[in-house]
Amino acid sequence: DTEVTQTPKHLVMGMTNKKSLKCEQHMGHRAMYWYKQKAKKPPELMFVYSYEKLSINESVPSRFSPECPNSSLLNLHLHALQPEDSALYLCASSPFGANSGANVLTFGAGSRLTVL
Amino acid sequence: QKEVEQNSGPLSVPEGAIASLNCTYSDRVSQSFFWYRQYSGKSPELIMSIYSNGDKEDGRFTAQLNKASQYVSLLIRDSQPSDSATYLCAVNIARKGAGSYQLTFGKGTKLSVIP
Repeated sequence: DTEVTQTPKHLVMGMTNKKSLKCEQHMGHRAMYWYKQKAKKPPELMFVYSYEKLSINESVPSRFSPECPNSSLLNLHLHALQPEDSALYLCASSPFGANSGANVLTFGAGSRLTVL
Repeated sequence: QKEVEQNSGPLSVPEGAIASLNCTYSDRVSQSFFWYRQYSGKSPELIMSIYSNGDKEDGRFTAQLNKASQYVSLLIRDSQPSDSATYLCAVNIARKGAGSYQLTFGKGTKLSVIP
């Protein structure tokens, strides 16, 4: 299995809703990532989990809450989002921990989020 | 200076021509360099990785790395309309004082291959 699986593929939510994005990998990778990508922009790092511990939080607003239940799963909990949070949310994983300069990221297909 | 810089394009080449994509980076101690291809509305897909100076070839793709000049390039030979996409240069850059690395992307170059 060489894939990173993200669900749902599309999500529409109101500003008062609570929802979650899910990500799964079975490659034995030790680091998992959440990126946000707006149209015509490069992916922007949000969070990194390394060996199941939060390693990097890029000053993301608290309405985004990451969770890493085990080495294969990564969630992003969403609450009280704003319309400007509408974007493609990408999960990725890499073989080594975040302290490796040789990491190669494999991306999932993404979750397209629309906030009304 | 931005950490990873690319010409945003768009770059248009005729079918069958060589497309040349360029990237410069600021961190002299970076060890690993990547090219990702991203079709519109899709996620980035790794097409090349390079770790040492020189050329690395994979099919129609050649990555070139020059660490002294802090320069990475991607050549696509015999370009096809299916190569039309945005190409993202990515470099593993050390985070200051954090003991960790972050894959940092350039803004991407949009390539159009004209039939």
